[in-house]
Amino acid sequence: AQSVTQLGSHVSVSEGALVLLRCNYSSSVPPYLFWYVQYPNQGLQLLLKYTTGATLVKGINGFEAEFKKSETSFHLTKPSAHMSDAAEYFCAVSGGGLDEKLTFGTGTRLTIIP
Amino acid sequence: KAGVTQTPRYLIKTRGQQVTLSCSPISGHRSVSWYQQTPGQGLQFLFEYFSETQRNKGNFPGRFSGRQFSNSRSEMNVSTLELGDSALYLCASSLDSLTNYGYTFGSGTRLTVV
Repeated sequence: AQSVTQLGSHVSVSEGALVLLRCNYSSSVPPYLFWYVQYPNQGLQLLLKYTTGATLVKGINGFEAEFKKSETSFHLTKPSAHMSDAAEYFCAVSGGGLDEKLTFGTGTRLTIIP
Repeated sequence: KAGVTQTPRYLIKTRGQQVTLSCSPISGHRSVSWYQQTPGQGLQFLFEYFSETQRNKGNFPGRFSGRQFSNSRSEMNVSTLELGDSALYLCASSLDSLTNYGYTFGSGTRLTVV
C-alpha cells in the first residue's frame, strides 16, 4: 500500500521568494511520485513526475522536485514565486505495475503575498 | 489537440435519484480513470478502465459503477444518490500506463445532491 503526507495545508510566501512544498511518502514497492496543481474550478494539471532515473525532476512553470529515498521525501520547489502560482498543490504516489491508480495527499494551498 | 472533456460541468440531483456522468478522453488514449474530490475525504480513486475492461477499482460501494465504450469514452453511474455523494468527479485519461505517461485530467463534473 502507498500513502503520502503533505506537511502544511496552507503555505504563504512573498512574490519572488522561494516556494517549498513538502511531501513524504510511504510505499511497500518502489514508488512513482507526482505533483499536480489545481486552480479554482478546474481539474488537475501535472507539474512533474518521478518514475525512475534522475532523482532531480524538472517540471513545468519553473517547478522542480527531488526524490530522496533515504528521507522518503519528494518536496516541490520553485526559486521565485509568481502571483500566478497561487493554487492548490497535490502530491501523489502510485505503486506502478498493475497498481494503476494515484493515492493523493490532502493538498497544500499556496498563497502568494504581493 | 482536444483535452479530456467531461459533461455536464454542473449537476444538481435529489437524494435517491441516479446520475450518469460522461468523459471523453484525449484521442488515442485507452485508459480512463475516475476520481472523487470532496473537502472531507480529498481525492479518492473510484475505478480505471482500459480497452473497455475495468482494470482497477477503489473502495467505493456498489452504487458507483462505470463502463468504457469501444471509442474509449467512459461513463460513471451513481445510483440511489446520498447527500455525501456531493463532490467534484474528475476523469483522467492516459495513453496506456499511468506510470509511463501520466494522466491528463478533465475539468470535472460538480455534483450537488439535495
